[in-house]
Amino acid sequence: DAGITQSPRHKVTETGTPVTLRCHQTENHRYMYWYRQDPGHGLRLIHYSYGVKDTDKGEVSDGYSVSRSKTEDFLLTLESATSSQTSVYFCAISRAGSSTDTQYFGPGTRLTVL
Amino acid sequence: AQKITQTQPGMFVQEKEAVTLDCTYDTSDPSYGLFWYKQPSSGEMIFLIYQGSYDQQNATEGRYSLNFQKARKSANLVISASQLGDSAMYFCAMRETDYKLSFGAGTTVTVRA
Repeated sequence: DAGITQSPRHKVTETGTPVTLRCHQTENHRYMYWYRQDPGHGLRLIHYSYGVKDTDKGEVSDGYSVSRSKTEDFLLTLESATSSQTSVYFCAISRAGSSTDTQYFGPGTRLTVL
Repeated sequence: AQKITQTQPGMFVQEKEAVTLDCTYDTSDPSYGLFWYKQPSSGEMIFLIYQGSYDQQNATEGRYSLNFQKARKSANLVISASQLGDSAMYFCAMRETDYKLSFGAGTTVTVRA
């Protein structure tokens, strides 16, 4: 157990509404990540953070924004949800940003946009 | 270009037998890490094993071993003595000098009693 929680675990929303997903860690790790999982694609990086207020885009960042005001919390916001954002969202943490560092994942949030 | 390729969408294995899951990767970075994760039907992503590009020996973790063939850019996962609880989706992933993990599409393993 890597001390990562995600909330909510399940959400159904309508197209055009804003949605915020929360990732909370108790490990005090510097690096946090948001991925989405879709069939046939594995996981793809949306955004990541390398410290408080330090964030950057991943490969599928369009339509998403993030914020990190505290070490332990990393928020993912869909400003105006679309059906293409229906997915399972995973948060991950790691101690360092090197290629040798393992990322540990939270339990995931299943989001359905109708 | 696809960075991680897993060519086996699904596999069946008899309980107590070994199974090998294929993974090939593509990178020009000299420093990279290779990871395997397990995703059971409950949905969580569980880290299994790691291999660094400079590691001389193949990684092992209990019943999991990684057959690392650097020249062939191959990092196959071997699960020995399969158990019913090994039935899951398995993902190969690579981390280069940037921050993200690049994942393959996954292989579903079903262990038969």
